[in-house]
Amino acid sequence: KAGVTQTPRYLIKTRGQQVTLSCSPISGHRSVSWYQQTPGQGLQFLFEYFSETQRNKGNFPGRFSGRQFSNSRSEMNVSTLELGDSALYLCASSSGQRNEQFFGPGTRLTVL
Amino acid sequence: GIQVEQSPPDLILQEGANSTLRCNFSDSVNNLQWFHQNPWGQLINLFYIPSGTKQNGRLSATTVATERYSLLYISSSQTTDSGVYFCAPSAAGKSTFGDGTTLTVKP
Repeated sequence: KAGVTQTPRYLIKTRGQQVTLSCSPISGHRSVSWYQQTPGQGLQFLFEYFSETQRNKGNFPGRFSGRQFSNSRSEMNVSTLELGDSALYLCASSSGQRNEQFFGPGTRLTVL
Repeated sequence: GIQVEQSPPDLILQEGANSTLRCNFSDSVNNLQWFHQNPWGQLINLFYIPSGTKQNGRLSATTVATERYSLLYISSSQTTDSGVYFCAPSAAGKSTFGDGTTLTVKP
């Protein structure tokens, strides 16, 4: 089985721009969760989508949004980028039943 | 939400030594996972262990859910074991990560 894939792997943006990151889960997995990892805040939960519906949400501002498509692929969008949004963004897929999560390689976003 | 505390924050070992990493959590959880993050940022699954004990080669883990802690044992450590180890208990569909233990294994 192919693992979780994330695109792009690296991204450089400037303040004020917006960005869209993509995550393709393991085949058959219906849940996708997004996390932000920074040196100062560690790994923080952004949101989880299951069957195209947001099922859980962390404590991030509305600039962070996501969606999930019928094939379970998910995208997250960050609008009006700030310097503090520079981070490694990780997505994880699970079957949605056992909640055992499998992570993708991440997208490293740098905001200048 | 769940509070997660991992100890020690940093650990330096000589190759061949054994170690125990601890994860304390504040509330009841449905499950718990241990991960190893490699230098490229990839989180690698080690154990899915809501309770009990599991072993996989030189690694083993024990979760005592009633006492709200989990332990990860690494025996005969190798330089390739270096990296950050995270525990992530989960409740109500949300996983909370600890700050991790940074392990350095010296040859």
